[in-house]
Amino acid sequence: ETGVTQTPRHLVMGMTNKKSLKCEQHLGHNAMYWYKQSAKKPLELMFVYSLEERVENNSVPSRFSPECPNSSHLFLHLHTLQPEDSALYLCASSQGGSPNSPLHFGNGTRLTVT
Amino acid sequence: QKEVEQNSGPLSVPEGAIASLNCTYSDRGSQSFFWYRQYSGKSPELIMFIYSNGDKEDGRFTAQLNKASQYVSLLIRDSQPSDSATYLCAVNSGFNQAGTALIFGKGTTLSVSS
Repeated sequence: ETGVTQTPRHLVMGMTNKKSLKCEQHLGHNAMYWYKQSAKKPLELMFVYSLEERVENNSVPSRFSPECPNSSHLFLHLHTLQPEDSALYLCASSQGGSPNSPLHFGNGTRLTVT
Repeated sequence: QKEVEQNSGPLSVPEGAIASLNCTYSDRGSQSFFWYRQYSGKSPELIMFIYSNGDKEDGRFTAQLNKASQYVSLLIRDSQPSDSATYLCAVNSGFNQAGTALIFGKGTTLSVSS
């Protein structure tokens, strides 16, 4: 496989459930990101990991918990979500160390909270 | 609050015309600028990036940057129906060794009619 792969593609969960989103990159990058995309709003940066360490957390509620066990894998653990958390969650990777390094996105997970 | 502004559109152009997409940003310290294309239901894909004042051309696409005016644009020549998508402007204001923390605009929807 190549690029950035996200699973699952679609997820429906109740407010009391616990689920996890998975992301894997095969580009040899050393930085990974979670973005949230809601209707009529810009992409929102949630978390940035560089060399498996979290370097940015944009005031995201604690019901979202990221995990980066190595430079190729990134998880987003979800628990007690709210209906307003329904959105497209995008994982991305890049090569850190250059301001011109673009982000490469996965296909996203469409999350619906009921 | 760092912001990136785009006209949401839709911008409608006939096939073969030039489509002009515009973006302004608030942070004068911004270093690099990206244009992504996002088809409905898909993830964003990189079209171009630019970091020096002036024009940068790649095939039918030209990115233009004016840092004094805090303005970046994307021109699409000989527009095709396959160019119909949402175009996202992204600005790297927070570069550090960790990675590329992009701030995105809401996107401009382009519709090219045949």
